[in-house]
Amino acid sequence: EDQVTQSPEALRLQEGESSSLNCSYTVSGLRGLFWYRQDPGKGPEFLFTLYSAGEEKEKERLKATLTKKESFLHITAPKPEDSATYLCAVTGGTASKLTFGTGTRLQVTL
Amino acid sequence: GAGVSQSPSNKVTEKGKDVELRCDPISGHTALYWYRQSLGQGLEFLIYFQGNSAPDKSGLPSDRFSAERTGGSVSTLTIQRTQQEDSAVYLCASSLVRDSPLHFGNGTRLTVT
Repeated sequence: EDQVTQSPEALRLQEGESSSLNCSYTVSGLRGLFWYRQDPGKGPEFLFTLYSAGEEKEKERLKATLTKKESFLHITAPKPEDSATYLCAVTGGTASKLTFGTGTRLQVTL
Repeated sequence: GAGVSQSPSNKVTEKGKDVELRCDPISGHTALYWYRQSLGQGLEFLIYFQGNSAPDKSGLPSDRFSAERTGGSVSTLTIQRTQQEDSAVYLCASSLVRDSPLHFGNGTRLTVT
């Protein structure tokens, strides 16, 4: 069965303090790894899809990378508006569903 | 453009009552998913619809849960004889095709008293 483990569970950064979130996964025949952002009271918002090891995607202060075992979401010079829960999900093999991790809760303070 | 719409946004019901949750996906999206999110838990897959194919119901936790998708568009998730452990946020998502990014609604927060 597909498994996704995210770390850390929570992360507190000061504005401008760069860091990385980790997503370790186990899946047979990866078809895609997805990163989402979720704000309180809202549904998850799509950020990136990565399909194969070595692939990288960037959007503003965020950069996602992928290896055969894990993905990192790098946050460069974060701002308070980057505060949210970041979710990682995978799909693979013949599965129709995405399997989600429990997320990393990020707080960025001034 | 309109995103995924879910209604109601909040529902409080008494234990033992039936509830219906509605999802209006993005027009043209062929895939539709229902997930459940409990406090401190990850998103739990419930059911997946793809076009006219038979749905993947493998995530439904019991036979009290059922879902349908009419005309390849609107979907309804029904929970019969609700229990307190059914309290959660129920999220609907749609995607253009299988493996395309999911677009989520803001969910229905269900509270069973």
